[in-house]
Formats: sequence, C-alpha cells, structure tokens
Amino acid sequence: QKEVEQNSGPLSVPEGAIASLNCTYSDRVSQSFFWYRQYSGKSPELIMSIYSNGDKEDGRFTAQLNKASQYVSLLIRDSQPSDSATYLCAVKEAAGNKLTFGGGTRVLVKP
Amino acid sequence: NAGVTQTPKFQVLKTGQSMTLQCAQDMNHNSMYWYRQDPGMGLRLIYYSASEGTTDKGEVPNGYNVSRLNKREFSLRLESAAPSQTSVYFCASSGRQFSTNEKLFFGSGTQLSVL
Repeated sequence: QKEVEQNSGPLSVPEGAIASLNCTYSDRVSQSFFWYRQYSGKSPELIMSIYSNGDKEDGRFTAQLNKASQYVSLLIRDSQPSDSATYLCAVKEAAGNKLTFGGGTRVLVKP
Repeated sequence: NAGVTQTPKFQVLKTGQSMTLQCAQDMNHNSMYWYRQDPGMGLRLIYYSASEGTTDKGEVPNGYNVSRLNKREFSLRLESAAPSQTSVYFCASSGRQFSTNEKLFFGSGTQLSVL
C-alpha cells in the first residue's frame, strides 16, 4: 500500500509569518508531487506541482522536493487569514494517472 | 463551461438502499475519478477510468460499481448502502488529449449519509 503521510495539525501561524507543511511518501519511484488547498466544505484545488529535486516558487508559495529522503514540503510566506484551509499532499504513481493523497494538514492563520 | 458537475449535492439513504452518483465533465478530459473523503483520511480513490471504455479499481472499491457511460460521464453506484459508506464523495477529471497537464479538476462533492 503506497502511503502519503502528513501531520494533521492544526498548524497555527500568525498573520505575516511563514507556514511550513511537510509530507513524506513511501513509493520511492514516484516522480510527480502536488499540493492541493481545500477550504472547509469546498473541493480541492491545485496550488503547486513539483517534479524535480529542489525548490519551486510561485508567488507566496514554495514547494520543496527531496526524492532521496522521500520528502516534499510547502512553504507559505507572508501568511494571510485567507490561507486558512486544509492542504493536501498528493503523489502520482510512476505509471498511470492515479494520485495518492495524504490526510491533509489544517492551517489556521490568526490575524 | 461548467467544468465537473456532480449530482446530487446531498443524499440520505437507509442501510440497504441503492443509489447512483452522477458526474459529467465538459473539458474533453480522458481520465475520470471517484474519491471519498473521510475526516483526517484525505481523499481515497474508489475507482478511476483512464479513458473511455476502461475502468479500474482504486484503493477502496468494495461496495461500489462504476460506469464510464461515454467520454463525458462517469457514474458511481452503491448497490446496498452501508453506514461505513457515509462520506463526502468527489468526482474529478484530468488529461486532455496531447496535454501533459496532470491537474485534477474536482466537482463540488456529494455529502452522503447512510443511516
């Protein structure tokens, strides 16, 4: 069973601070990694994808990937109350289109 | 352009009843998926269809059946509902032909309660 693990939180951060979310995965051959944001009562939406080791930045979001350690993270800089949501890590299997999701980390940004 | 449309939004069933969740996408996507989401467990794949005419089991297929009716539509059927199937169900699609975009587009979800 391929696993994706996340700390469920809640991760409480003050407004303007950096939120750091972590995700580990068990399938060593996975090549594609995604972060989805899900507001309460809504459907998930893709915010970041990363395929190579290192950092990928998009606005206030930075995804970090370390395949040797089977670890992917998401940094949210200058956190805003509107960033309060659950963040789901997803890993795509090496062959095919199936995604395995982690349980999600709930983030609370306090004004 | 509605994206992914799933119906109904809410449903209450009694144990043993059957129902079908409907899903349609208008983005010409090849792949479609059914997930369930339970508190603290993220999204778990029930069934998926990589392309029209094919379906495959996901992580938690027991108690469910699916039909890929055509390229647009992918339905999920509960033949004999059980309380363990109380969950939020999401349909999703991805993958236009000749596109490397792997982004999943989700429907708005169905809140199902089985009493």
